[in-house]
Order: sequence, then structure tokens, then C-alpha cells
Amino acid sequence: GAVVSQHPSWVICKSGTSVKIECRSLDFQATTMFWYRQFPKQSLMLMATSNEGSKATYEQGVEKDKFLINHASLTLSTLTVTSAHPEDSSFYICSAREVPVRISGTPTAPFISPFFGPGTRLTVL
Amino acid sequence: AQSVTQLGSHVSVSEGALVLLRCNYSSSVPPYLFWYVQYPNQGLQLLLKYTTGATLVKGINGFEAEFKKSETSFHLTKPSAHMSDAADYFCAVSDRAKGAQKLVFGQGTRLTINP
Repeated sequence: GAVVSQHPSWVICKSGTSVKIECRSLDFQATTMFWYRQFPKQSLMLMATSNEGSKATYEQGVEKDKFLINHASLTLSTLTVTSAHPEDSSFYICSAREVPVRISGTPTAPFISPFFGPGTRLTVL
Repeated sequence: AQSVTQLGSHVSVSEGALVLLRCNYSSSVPPYLFWYVQYPNQGLQLLLKYTTGATLVKGINGFEAEFKKSETSFHLTKPSAHMSDAADYFCAVSDRAKGAQKLVFGQGTRLTINP
């Protein structure tokens, strides 16, 4: 199946520094990638939708100036946590959805499930 | 807006026993439905999904789920639990009318298997 990677897998940083997390689709192209945040023992909360070549769409309550998202190519999206603070410590997970190819004669393109990366554990001291 | 409710944040079963994890959704139109599994400090792995067609969906590792429109449910089952099934399980819903782009997750259920 398709593979999504994240780098780094874990990072520890000092308060006030910025941290960049990469999300890559390794064997497929993804026009859209998603960034989620997961607190301990809780569910995933969608932070933003990353669109290749355009601005990201942020969910309500997510500070776009704090969580900078760049989707420069069809295989790479980055999330930068700027001026990180201890409350930003969390597990960040990205997902990517392959661009579906519509087959001639069919009314719609097939649905392809998004694939999730392994996550990045961020600890801000 | 769509939402997902997973009944029971913790479920504990004995090895070999039936696993039943409950998921109910709220959506104005029949959605796409998913079950994901998450092992400690890892990302999510797709177990199975319902998009259209047969309402009983079979997934990996012996899991299956049945879409019941009248009950707005998508419960996950496995006939016989194995120790390796211990993990966190998430039910998710996506709006097919919007191209199923976003996933809305339930709060998750931690499955514990007793030897």
C-alpha cells in the first residue's frame, strides 16, 4: 500500500524555538495533505488541510501564524510550529490522499482512503 | 456537521473472546465510514472502510464492520481476540458529498486483551 513518512519521528526543543515537521508521500502524489494533533489518550483533531500550490485551510481555533503549513510539491508538506511553548507538546500526525484517476466511461473517480504517517512526537521544554 | 460517538473509552476482553467496538455517527447524508487502529507511538492504520455496496465490510486482521443506516451505526467486530489486537481503535466519518476530504474521528476506544 501507499506509504506516508514523517520526519522527525520525535523532537525535543526549548521553549521559544521553531520546529519543522515534514510529511512525505513516498510512492504517490498527493494534492491534499492533512495535519492532525493528538493529545495523550485522546482522539485526532484536524488542524488544517494543506493544498499543493495554495494556502492551507485551517480549522476553527487553530492559529495559522503559529502553525505554518507549506505544501510546495505533490509529495511534501511541512508543518512549522513557531515559537513553540510547552502547551504545543503533542503528537502530530499527517495524512495524504492519492490523486484519484478517473477512468474513461465511469461517472466518478474511485474513492481512495487517506494514508497516515507514523506521527511526530513534539516535546517543548 | 458530522460527528462520531464511540461508546466505551475502554473495552477489555479475554483472549479468544468476541470483540465488539461500538461506533455511531451523525450525518445528513450517508457518509464514508472508517475504522483505524493505532499502536503506541505510531500513526493510524486503516482496518476497513465502507463507501458503497455491501454493508458488511471485511478488513485486515480478521476484523469486520457492518453499516446499518437505520441505526446510524458502524460497529467493529472480531470473532476471536488475539493478544496482538490490544491497541487504540478509532472510528471516523467523512462527507462523500464533499469528496470525502476530511475525516472526523471518534474519541477512540482502548482495547485490552486479557490472557
